[in-house]
Amino acid sequence: NAGVMQNPRHLVRRRGQEARLRCSPMKGHSHVYWYRQLPEEGLKFMVYLQKENIIDESGMPKERFSAEFPKEGPSILRIQQVVRGDSAAYFCASSGRHSEQFFGPGTRLTVL
Amino acid sequence: QQQVKQSPQSLIVQKGGISIINCAYENTAFDYFPWYQQFPGKGPALLIAIRPDVSEKKEGRFTISFNKSAKQFSLHIMDSQPGDSATYFCAAREGSSNTGKLIFGQGTTLQVKP
Repeated sequence: NAGVMQNPRHLVRRRGQEARLRCSPMKGHSHVYWYRQLPEEGLKFMVYLQKENIIDESGMPKERFSAEFPKEGPSILRIQQVVRGDSAAYFCASSGRHSEQFFGPGTRLTVL
Repeated sequence: QQQVKQSPQSLIVQKGGISIINCAYENTAFDYFPWYQQFPGKGPALLIAIRPDVSEKKEGRFTISFNKSAKQFSLHIMDSQPGDSATYFCAAREGSSNTGKLIFGQGTTLQVKP
C-alpha cells in the first residue's frame, strides 16, 4: 500500500533551467495539493488540483509556475526559468474529498 | 491574510517531561485543526487532529486542547521521549471554502534530552 510518491527526491538546476516535480497520490485519492517549504519555515500552500482541473491556485506565483494533474499519470509542478529563490522543499499531499492530507517525502530543489 | 501563529519556535524538554506547543488563529471559518510531525529530510506526517466541536482529543501520549472562544489550540506530548525530537506544525483548514488547503504555523523544533 504505497503512500504518496514524489520524484525526484533531490533536484539541482542552474538558474534559467526548468524544474519538473512529480507526484503520484495514494491509491484511491483524486485530490492533490502542492506546498512549498523554505528553510526554517512552515509549509505554504501553492495549488490544489483534482483530476484534470485546477481548483485553487491562490498560492501559486503568477509567473513561471504551473501545475497539472492529467487524467493519466502523476501530478506535475513545473517551474520555468528557475531562480535561486526557488530553492526549497516542495511537498505534495493527497486526499480523498476534504479528508486528511497525506504528504509525500518531498522534492528538494537546489538552484545554483 | 489567513494566519496561524505558532509558539515557541524551539523547545527543549527532558525525557519524561511534558512538551507543550501553542497555536492561535484569527479566521473563525476554520473547522479542522491537524498537527503534523516532521523529521529531518522527511515529509510531514499527520499526528492528531481536532474539530472545534470538542475541547480535547487524546491519542496515546498526544493530546490536543482546543479553546474556541480564545481561538487557540495546543499540542501536549506527555512522557516525552528522545524519539519525539522533530519539528511540529499546527495547521488549520477553512471548512466553508471549496478548497481543502491547509494553513500552517511556522513550526516548533522539539528536542527531547535523554
